[in-house]
Amino acid sequence: QVQLVQSGAEVKKPGASVRVSCKTSGYTFTDYYIHWMRRAPGQGLEWMGWINPKSGAIKYAQKFEGRVTMTRDTSITTAYMELSSLASDDTAVYYCARDRGNDIWSGYFDYWGQGPLVTVSS
Amino acid sequence: DIVLTQSPATLSLSPGERATLSCRASQNIAFYLAWYQQKPGQAPRLLIFDASKRASGIPGRFSGSGSGTDFTLTISSLEPEDFAVYFCQQRSGWPLTFGGGTKVEIK
Repeated sequence: QVQLVQSGAEVKKPGASVRVSCKTSGYTFTDYYIHWMRRAPGQGLEWMGWINPKSGAIKYAQKFEGRVTMTRDTSITTAYMELSSLASDDTAVYYCARDRGNDIWSGYFDYWGQGPLVTVSS
Repeated sequence: DIVLTQSPATLSLSPGERATLSCRASQNIAFYLAWYQQKPGQAPRLLIFDASKRASGIPGRFSGSGSGTDFTLTISSLEPEDFAVYFCQQRSGWPLTFGGGTKVEIK
């Protein structure tokens, strides 16, 4: 069965960076885009960007341009999201999710990781 | 950015009742809308995509309708496991955006 298993909760200081991993299984990793979203406490979901695991192509939300880096390692079917220059308002649950399009981008998300909490606090 | 406004914020209903949830877009998004269900401590679950297409494994009591700027998710007869938060999401424009959610709670 399709699974996306993310790394664990993190606590970071302001100005630091965090890298969240998303280990996938149960399907062909390179056939489906991976998206990253986050939900801050009391807020709605916020889309951060996607990566095409086959080509490595990426698209980031303008809000995160210059601060976010999405990568993947096809040998271990894992996607990564790194966010730098953290501030307190980056405290959020960070999700990876699989795009539902098989070898094509759809913009909808059919499987999600469990979403670790990243806390930014001095 | 395209803003999605969901209403009501909370819907208090009893099992067996019909639930009607609304999602309004700030501009025309054609039919490029999805609905998700999320329960506490769980990841979201895709219910509906392209406004009216049920995702794999989703029961027939869930249906979606609408186009342009006004969309509806209907749960024809609430089951105990349907009490959760529901949110909409658009893929018509960048960035992809989500609604704030509607909580369906037991009356």
